[in-house]
Amino acid sequence: AQSVTQPDIHITVSEGASLELRCNYSYGATPYLFWYVQSPGQGLQLLLKYFSGDTLVQGIKGFEAEFKRSQSSFNLRKPSVHWSDAAEYFCAVGRDNNDMRFGAGTRLTVKP
Amino acid sequence: EAGVAQSPRYKIIEKRQSVAFWCNPISGHATLYWYQQILGQGPKLLIQFQNNGVVDDSQLPKDRFSAERLKGVDSTLKIQPAKLEDSAVYLCASSSSGTDLYNEQFFGPGTRLTVL
Repeated sequence: AQSVTQPDIHITVSEGASLELRCNYSYGATPYLFWYVQSPGQGLQLLLKYFSGDTLVQGIKGFEAEFKRSQSSFNLRKPSVHWSDAAEYFCAVGRDNNDMRFGAGTRLTVKP
Repeated sequence: EAGVAQSPRYKIIEKRQSVAFWCNPISGHATLYWYQQILGQGPKLLIQFQNNGVVDDSQLPKDRFSAERLKGVDSTLKIQPAKLEDSAVYLCASSSSGTDLYNEQFFGPGTRLTVL
């Protein structure tokens, strides 16, 4: 069965520091992988997606993610975090829009 | 371009009451989704429409939940009667066409339901 695990419920980083959010998945075939961000009172916004090809994917707002098939991981990174990045981040996996599975999310707090 | 609109933004009801949520997708988007997001969990798809037809409602608790999209545009999601475990944020999303993942889903702000 397909599933997504985000091991960190809550992460706190200082503004300007680097960030890595972890995502591990279980899927029977080659998955499509996504990262979404949800700011308070807002809907989910797609940061980036991986379908195939280059395993390092660039997204919006300076985020990137790397697909590692051997580790079943798709970790999200940002070299320098801004206060406006404070939000909830969701990893998702699936092959169709009605087949998507979301992780439980990681809440990011940014310290001044 | 206007985004996905949802109303109300917040709703508090007592168990066994009924409630309805409304969603207006992005203009021209043929596909509409309703998700349930329970606190501490990721969104879970309840139902997907393609125009006014249901593509997938396998995770919709049909004994109490219903949804419609009569003219292929706006949609309503209803719960009758509500249970305590229905407390969640209900998200609506839309995409331009089909079930292909190349068509990005755009999410509304959600309706937060509290069942007392």
